[in-house]
Amino acid sequence: SQQGEEDPQALSIQEGENATMNCSYKTSINNLQWYRQNSGRGLVHLILIRSNEREKHSGRLRVTLDTSKKSSSLLITASRAADTASYFCATPQTGANNLFFGTGTRLTVIP
Amino acid sequence: GAVVSQHPSWVICKSGTSVKIECRSLDFQATTMFWYRQFPKQSLMLMATSNEGSKATYEQGVEKDKFLINHASLTLSTLTVTSAHPEDSSFYICSARVARHYTEAFFGQGTRLTVV
Repeated sequence: SQQGEEDPQALSIQEGENATMNCSYKTSINNLQWYRQNSGRGLVHLILIRSNEREKHSGRLRVTLDTSKKSSSLLITASRAADTASYFCATPQTGANNLFFGTGTRLTVIP
Repeated sequence: GAVVSQHPSWVICKSGTSVKIECRSLDFQATTMFWYRQFPKQSLMLMATSNEGSKATYEQGVEKDKFLINHASLTLSTLTVTSAHPEDSSFYICSARVARHYTEAFFGQGTRLTVV
């Protein structure tokens, strides 16, 4: 399976703390994406990092990519209760147009 | 960003009946749409890739006669769950991408199907 794995599976932190989620994937990629899913809803794209990039920022989000280790991390700084959601990394399937999703991290931010 | 609308957001049906789920790209043309299934607290599993004007490509293990996909226009793809059974109860999500590889995917809101 090309599906990636994320850890931790679940993370609970206090509001204001930082949250770090990790993603590992199996094949060579040209980009890696992170998505957020609120309970019972569709996914929302957060950030895309290309294979030739090592780090990218967007607001309180910071994404790193290490292609040699086939891993990526998503850091959410100064977390808020509204950040409570599931977060998934996704990679494009080789030679196709669809995405493979990681197993996801369920983040709970306690007010 | 682009908007993908999925309808209905939830549906309850009786065993043996069929249910149709619609996925529309509202402000862009999607030559390809994707249908995913998600079990509680799990990741998204790709069911099939829906190509406009041609037959859908199903992932291994997905019954094409049970999950009928039609992509009749550049803005609409439908998934019909035929002869639904309780084990078909799940969260179904569609997505569309504007171009290959270097772009994000846009997702519908998802459909919660409950078969009783």
